[in-house]
Amino acid sequence: QQQVKQSPQSLIVQKGGISIINCAYENTAFDYFPWYQQFPGKGPALLIAIRPDVSEKKEGRFTISFNKSAKQFSLHIMDSQPGDSATYFCAAIGAGSYQLTFGKGTKLSVIP
Amino acid sequence: GAVVSQHPSWVICKSGTSVKIECRSLDFQATTMFWYRQFPKQSLMLMATSNEGSKATYEQGVEKDKFLINHASLTLSTLTVTSAHPEDSSFYICSAREAPILYGYTFGSGTRLTVV
Repeated sequence: QQQVKQSPQSLIVQKGGISIINCAYENTAFDYFPWYQQFPGKGPALLIAIRPDVSEKKEGRFTISFNKSAKQFSLHIMDSQPGDSATYFCAAIGAGSYQLTFGKGTKLSVIP
Repeated sequence: GAVVSQHPSWVICKSGTSVKIECRSLDFQATTMFWYRQFPKQSLMLMATSNEGSKATYEQGVEKDKFLINHASLTLSTLTVTSAHPEDSSFYICSAREAPILYGYTFGSGTRLTVV
C-alpha cells in the first residue's frame, strides 16, 4: 500500500515558468512533510519541509502548500531554472515511526 | 549543516565477492542510520534501520545475511553486500538521523554498485 502518492511522474517546464508537483497521503498521523531534490548520481537533499499546522511555507523560489483536510500537499517552484532540473520526492513521516515514506518521484526538466 | 559522507561513490566488483560501503556522520552523532536501495528512475526503498550498538532491523524481503549492517559507533555505519551478484547492482544510499532533532535527516551521496 503506497501511503504517499505523487504526481506527475515527469514534468517539463519552460525557464521562468512555475513547476507544480502534488502529493497526497493517507495516514493522518503523519506530522512532517519534507521535499527532497535529487540530482543524477547523488543522494537526496532536503529542499523544504512543512508541518500540518501550517498551510503554506515559502523559502526563496520554493513554496509548499498544505491542505490538511484534503490530505494533500504540493511543491511550487517559481521562476523555474534549468538548474532546477532534477528528480523531486515528497515524503511523510510520523505516526510514532522515524521512517520516511517517499513518493515515487517527479522528474522535472526545465527547458531554456 | 549536517554532513554525511558515504564511500565509495562507485564500485565495481566481481560476482561472488563482498563489498563494504561506509557511511559517516561528520559533524553530528547519528543515533539512527538508514540504508536505502534505489533502482533507476525509481524511488528510494528502505532496506534497514540501524541504531548504534544494536542489531539492524531489516525490511520485509531484504536478506539480512546478504546485506550485513554494522552500526558500531555514533558516527559510522557500514553496509556489506556479501557474495554479490549482478542483480545486486544498484544505487545504495545511507541516511543519518541527528538526535535530538526529531526529523533531522541527512543523506549520503550514494554508492553506485556494479557487479560483473
